[in-house]
Amino acid sequence: GIQVEQSPPDLILQEGANSTLRCNFSDSVNNLQWFHQNPWGQLINLFYIPSGTKQNGRLSATTVATERYSLLYISSSQTTDSGVYFCAVIEYSQGGGNKLTFGTGTQLKVEL
Amino acid sequence: DVKVTQSSRYLVKRTGEKVFLECVQDMDHENMFWYRQDPGLGLRLIYFSYDVKMKEKGDIPEGYSVSREKKERFSLILESASTNQTSMYLCASSEGLGGSSLHFGNGTRLTVT
Repeated sequence: GIQVEQSPPDLILQEGANSTLRCNFSDSVNNLQWFHQNPWGQLINLFYIPSGTKQNGRLSATTVATERYSLLYISSSQTTDSGVYFCAVIEYSQGGGNKLTFGTGTQLKVEL
Repeated sequence: DVKVTQSSRYLVKRTGEKVFLECVQDMDHENMFWYRQDPGLGLRLIYFSYDVKMKEKGDIPEGYSVSREKKERFSLILESASTNQTSMYLCASSEGLGGSSLHFGNGTRLTVT
């Protein structure tokens, strides 16, 4: 199956700082998603981004599928951005379904 | 909004017990998934289903089975619970084969003693 690696594994920021999280994947993928898991464990979709760039407020994401990576940018970070950020790639299974393979995540802590 | 509901938030079971984790989604999604999350390992796929009565093994199916008798419900079964199955279990659903957004439940933290 596809291997998904994220970096850095841990990140501590001062409030207001910017950051870039990276996701590398080992093979061509049909799609890629970014998720945020808040400190209470809830996973929320951030972006569904097979290629190109999308922006949503202070967050933006870029996927370069031909080079097998995606980046998540967080600008002017806030304490509410703390949590774990996961990327997940979609691959079609032999049985006909599709499945997501997750990276191991980046643990972000934003401090005052 | 899509709602994915897991029957229990916390569960404590004894070694050897048969354990059922239930998941229900309300958006008529074709695909449903069971993941477990462990520190440092991210989310690992146990089983998934893309239609009623259809199932496929994920990356770590050993010790688990699943049931999907109705489109909205996907059950994870631990045939004989063991301590190494202590984990956070997350259910998710998504639309068809196009790989649309995945929606997660709140998770079930299972402790096997």
